[in-house]
Amino acid sequence: DAKTTQPNSMESNEEEPVHLPCNHSTISGTDYIHWYRQLPSQGPEYVIHGLTSNVNNRMASLAIAEDRKSSTLILHRATLRDAAVYYCILAGRGYGGSQGNLIFGKGTKLSVKP
Amino acid sequence: NAGVTQTPKFQVLKTGQSMTLQCAQDMNHEYMSWYRQDPGMGLRLIHYSVGAGITDQGEVPNGYNVSRSTTEDFPLRLLSAAPSQTSVYFCASSPTSPGGVNTEAFFGQGTRLTVV
Repeated sequence: DAKTTQPNSMESNEEEPVHLPCNHSTISGTDYIHWYRQLPSQGPEYVIHGLTSNVNNRMASLAIAEDRKSSTLILHRATLRDAAVYYCILAGRGYGGSQGNLIFGKGTKLSVKP
Repeated sequence: NAGVTQTPKFQVLKTGQSMTLQCAQDMNHEYMSWYRQDPGMGLRLIHYSVGAGITDQGEVPNGYNVSRSTTEDFPLRLLSAAPSQTSVYFCASSPTSPGGVNTEAFFGQGTRLTVV
């Protein structure tokens, strides 16, 4: 199954940028990199995903290394509401079944200080 | 927009009882899945479905049954509850499997199950 490595926890100050790293050295050419986050007592919510190029949306940016063995989720200006567990997930056929499923690791717990 | 709706939100069962956790989505998504989350852990995949009438096992399927008779509904059945099944259960849906372009998954708010 997909293997990603994330720090267990990170701290950030409110209104500062946050860079959440993820290593995925065994990624294959067709695997997508997904990021989800889970706020306290809620279900996970989609943040962003990409294949090769950097991606931006209203929530965050995803920077993907040229060799695709690592990626970084960037929150441009952290708010208290961004305190959550962030999961970096490789997705593609064969992960968690022949059609592919989201297989979660333990993620990075982000704390945001006022 | 209702999205993914799970019922009930909380449930206490006695060991050996059976019950069905309900999951419904109104986005016409083909892909649905069930996860469980134990304290301090990430989510683990129980069962999934790629469309009506098609289901398959995930990482931790033992003790659970599923069926998918309609696109909208994907119930999870506990046949004989055990304390080890105490967990928070999440249902998710997406247009297709996650390994593609348009694959944002939507999760329900969860069902907190305690088996005593």
